[in-house]
Amino acid sequence: NAGVMQNPRHLVRRRGQEARLRCSPMKGHSHVYWYRQLPEEGLKFMVYLQKENIIDESGMPKERFSAEFPKEGPSILRIQQVVRGDSAAYFCASSLNPAAGETQYFGPGTRLLVL
Amino acid sequence: DAKTTQPTSMDCAEGRAANLPCNHSTISGNEYVYWYRQIHSQGPQYIIHGLKNNETNEMASLIITEDRKSSTLILPHATLRDTAVYYCIVLGGNKLVFGAGTILRVKS
Repeated sequence: NAGVMQNPRHLVRRRGQEARLRCSPMKGHSHVYWYRQLPEEGLKFMVYLQKENIIDESGMPKERFSAEFPKEGPSILRIQQVVRGDSAAYFCASSLNPAAGETQYFGPGTRLLVL
Repeated sequence: DAKTTQPTSMDCAEGRAANLPCNHSTISGNEYVYWYRQIHSQGPQYIIHGLKNNETNEMASLIITEDRKSSTLILPHATLRDTAVYYCIVLGGNKLVFGAGTILRVKS
């Protein structure tokens, strides 16, 4: 049973470009979470999605950031017009049934570097 | 979600047990205690979780006090590869709230 997959593992963008980060949850998991870790800081929750629905986006910056989890395919975190402050590690986690206390399992992360 | 308090850092000799404490005095009755660790800059790794009872798995043991206001993660035989940041998290909702964690250094 493959774990949470994220790609790309490393992404370099110039200021003003778009970044697309992909997350494939563990098999059978329909709940996906995105977290961001800025350099030398702790992980911060961004958004929680359940197939085709955004459940909680309280940690998402109001502008330039969006997330989706379509019926088919991976979850996508999209950052438009990237700035240097977006450079960070972005981690995705998935769970089976959080209401039942099911654990969130993390992927290896995508390291975004904005030049 | 309840706040947790952990020591900033701890050292442990290789082969000895590592006992990592966590205070969560404001925990509610339906909130779980979760432990994760992050080795260097890898993705957080789930270790163990519990509600009221002590728990044990192949990685660690979790001891939760009777009043649930504190807990201890025990790595029974620490190895150099256990050097990491360990996070104690109280989860009552959907999102994990990571604090600064405890930097555990296992030394030979």
